[in-house]
Amino acid sequence: AQRVTQPEKLLSVFKGAPVELKCNYSYSGSPELFWYVQYSRQRLQLLLRHISRESIKGFTADLNKGETSFHLKKPFAQEEDSAMYYCALYMDSNYQLIWGAGTKLIIKP
Amino acid sequence: GAVVSQHPSWVICKSGTSVKIECRSLDFQATTMFWYRQFPKQSLMLMATSNEGSKATYEQGVEKDKFLINHASLTLSTLTVTSAHPEDSSFYICSASPRIEQFFGPGTRLTVL
Repeated sequence: AQRVTQPEKLLSVFKGAPVELKCNYSYSGSPELFWYVQYSRQRLQLLLRHISRESIKGFTADLNKGETSFHLKKPFAQEEDSAMYYCALYMDSNYQLIWGAGTKLIIKP
Repeated sequence: GAVVSQHPSWVICKSGTSVKIECRSLDFQATTMFWYRQFPKQSLMLMATSNEGSKATYEQGVEKDKFLINHASLTLSTLTVTSAHPEDSSFYICSASPRIEQFFGPGTRLTVL
């Protein structure tokens, strides 16, 4: 069955430290994965998608098909990175996104 | 670009009344629109998927007669919560998708007294 797992509900790191938010997926087809971010009192917004292979706000994510992972990384966390982060898998059969449970990232000063 | 609006942003209603929430894609045409519920400190729960001009597809456990969805055009979808009850109080979020990516509205906070 298709599934997205974000094992950490909460991740707290100090400003300037590296950050890695984990995401694992289960999908029989060719996966298309996204990271969405929700800052406090703001709407969900797309952070990045694996197919574009770009870095947004210093974040990168590499699709590892062998490990079925799409972890989100940033080398030096900033306080403004504090937010909820959701990993999502696109289902081309019904156009839906399968969502992970989300990880709350707190950057301590 | 890719802005999605929702109206109203919050609504309080009496039990038994119906509430309509609008979702509009302002600067693009959305082939598909999605309606979600989000409970406090939880992830999004997909309620239904709607395509312009066709009936919405509801997720298991979502009552289609209670949550009426109309996707009248490529830029507008509405969710009507019929005969609302306190347990329907929640944060309802819509998203619109021109192809694969979804762009989200700001959400509607519904409180049923």
